[in-house]
Amino acid sequence: DGGITQSPKYLFRKEGQNVTLSCEQNLNHDAMYWYRQDPGQGLRLIYYSQIVNDFQKGDIAEGYSVSREKKESFPLTVTSAQKNPTAFYLCASRMNPTNLYSNQPQHFGDGTRLSIL
Amino acid sequence: SQELEQSPQSLIVQEGKNLTINCTSSKTLYGLYWYKQKYGEGLIFLMMLQKGGEEKSHEKITAKLDEKKQQSSLHITASQPSHAGIYLCGALNNNDMRFGAGTRLTVKP
Repeated sequence: DGGITQSPKYLFRKEGQNVTLSCEQNLNHDAMYWYRQDPGQGLRLIYYSQIVNDFQKGDIAEGYSVSREKKESFPLTVTSAQKNPTAFYLCASRMNPTNLYSNQPQHFGDGTRLSIL
Repeated sequence: SQELEQSPQSLIVQEGKNLTINCTSSKTLYGLYWYKQKYGEGLIFLMMLQKGGEEKSHEKITAKLDEKKQQSSLHITASQPSHAGIYLCGALNNNDMRFGAGTRLTVKP
């Protein structure tokens, strides 16, 4: 079945450590997104990518980095510069984002919960 | 960027009761998406609205977009425990999507 796979489901980070969250999709979607969700809050956009080898910062990109070397994959690295990384991270993908009137919804993975040790 | 306000923040209803969740935008909506999230899981797409005055239904859930395309409502008829979760509205913002803070729904049996 087509879908988005995030791994791992739970991740623990030590102080000063970089960690990478995986996101893979087999939906042949062009665009991919990373969101952060804190308790009782909505989703905040970290980074997004519309095509391979290109990505843009969202509202809270500081302390995070991404790459888009393949259409199917959009890994997120939480660097040691991110001082408050504990959150639920959601990856999403979408087809044809260039048309403002496109009616394609985003599809989401099951999320990765990151905690500090 | 687009800002979406949802109300109420949380809602507790008795099973069988009807309820409405609202989503208001600071800008004209070109696409309004409703999602449901269970705690610790991803978002499940419910419905998408594009045209002013549009209304869509799926089972006991109905979503509407007002004529001015700046407000949407999600209505659940005869709520059931399976409806419990967090409902989020999302809107296209140039090439990305922004979301409201969500409404947490609890349905008491």
